[in-house]
Amino acid sequence: DIVMTQSPDSLAVSLGERATINCKSSQSIKNYLVWYQQKSGQPPKLLISWASTRESGVPDRFSGSGSGTDFTLTISSLQAEDVAVYHCQQYYSSPFTFGQGTRLEIK
Amino acid sequence: QVQLVESGGGLVKPGGSLRLSCAASGFTFSHSYMSWMRQAPGKGLEWISYISNGGSDIYSADSVKGRFTISRDNAKNSLYLQMNSLRAEDTAVYYCARVAGGSGSWFLDYWGQGALVTVSS
Repeated sequence: DIVMTQSPDSLAVSLGERATINCKSSQSIKNYLVWYQQKSGQPPKLLISWASTRESGVPDRFSGSGSGTDFTLTISSLQAEDVAVYHCQQYYSSPFTFGQGTRLEIK
Repeated sequence: QVQLVESGGGLVKPGGSLRLSCAASGFTFSHSYMSWMRQAPGKGLEWISYISNGGSDIYSADSVKGRFTISRDNAKNSLYLQMNSLRAEDTAVYYCARVAGGSGSWFLDYWGQGALVTVSS
């Protein structure tokens, strides 16, 4: 199975500042990676697919990058509504696996 | 708009059974692969099962294989998860989710609100 490892486990960033979350796969997954946002008490919401394609309606302060084994989710200017747990998921090969999640808070 | 509504969660004793249902609306259910995901308290997400649009292609994670069975009724726009021989480690929020369409798009584009399953004596 492909193991997905996110870093850091938690992150506190000031409003208006940049937040960066990393996701590393145990083997190459090309660009078969998505990011989900999960706010407290809610289901995950799809943010980015194919490593860098923002879903419709997702603010452009969210961006994804990377290919192969190393990926990054960047929030360019953190807003209060961005407080959430962020999950990456690979869909290169079954079983399709998730990272452990990164909790993003306001500093 | 797409809606997925789970039902059937609750408290069950170890070794017991439970059946989750998911009512889908707002899209052509019979055209979509569907999945069950779960999230144990304070833990990450786990993809436990999926089923093809016609029901012939089924995947189950090793953690639930032989105990959980996914099924669907396209006439009722409904997805099911029959859970047998439940264990304490099956305690989680269970989500119904739609697999995004398109070649190789094995990710979830819509999720239900989730159903809590607690396995405890």
